[in-house]
Amino acid sequence: DTEVTQTPKHLVMGMTNKKSLKCEQHMGHRAMYWYKQKAKKPPELMFVYSYEKLSINESVPSRFSPECPNSSLLNLHLHALQPEDSALYLCASSQGVQTNEKLFFGSGTQLSVL
Amino acid sequence: GQQLNQSPQSMFIQEGEDVSMNCTSSSIFNTWLWYKQDPGEGPVLLIALYKAGELTSNGRLTAQFGITRKDSFLNISASIPSDVGIYFCAGINTGGFKTIFGAGTRLFVKA
Repeated sequence: DTEVTQTPKHLVMGMTNKKSLKCEQHMGHRAMYWYKQKAKKPPELMFVYSYEKLSINESVPSRFSPECPNSSLLNLHLHALQPEDSALYLCASSQGVQTNEKLFFGSGTQLSVL
Repeated sequence: GQQLNQSPQSMFIQEGEDVSMNCTSSSIFNTWLWYKQDPGEGPVLLIALYKAGELTSNGRLTAQFGITRKDSFLNISASIPSDVGIYFCAGINTGGFKTIFGAGTRLFVKA
């Protein structure tokens, strides 16, 4: 199994809603990532988890709250988002966080905030 | 911070033509990678390069890690319609574990 699975594929939410994005991988990878991608732009790193511990937070607003319940799962909890947070949210994993690790991406969740 | 300059921004080519795109940086990278992203999907790794001067092929794709470690190029030979998409170069920086992406090259192939 060489897949990173993300759910849901599409999500529409209001600014007062609370929702969660989910990501799962069964490749035995020990690093998992959240990226945000706006249209026609490259992915931007949000968070990195290494061995289930948060190791990088790229100054992401607190309305985004990541969680890594175990080595296979990664969640992103969303609360009180703004319309400008609408984007494709990509989860990725890699074997570790060494300097030559390749990223395996999921298909993403297309999020629209109304 | 570190940035990658990827060019061209977009390319419109005829099926069967060869394509070349490149990425440059003012900083040294330990690893260069090339990803392709189809609409509505996440990026998929095409080629990974780990040593300066390394030339690696994956089918019709060939990529090279520049001798100075500050650049890389990707060639696609005999393009086909399914080559359409956005190609991102990416570098992994020295002493850290962040993957930095270029702005992408949008490839359009006319049958």
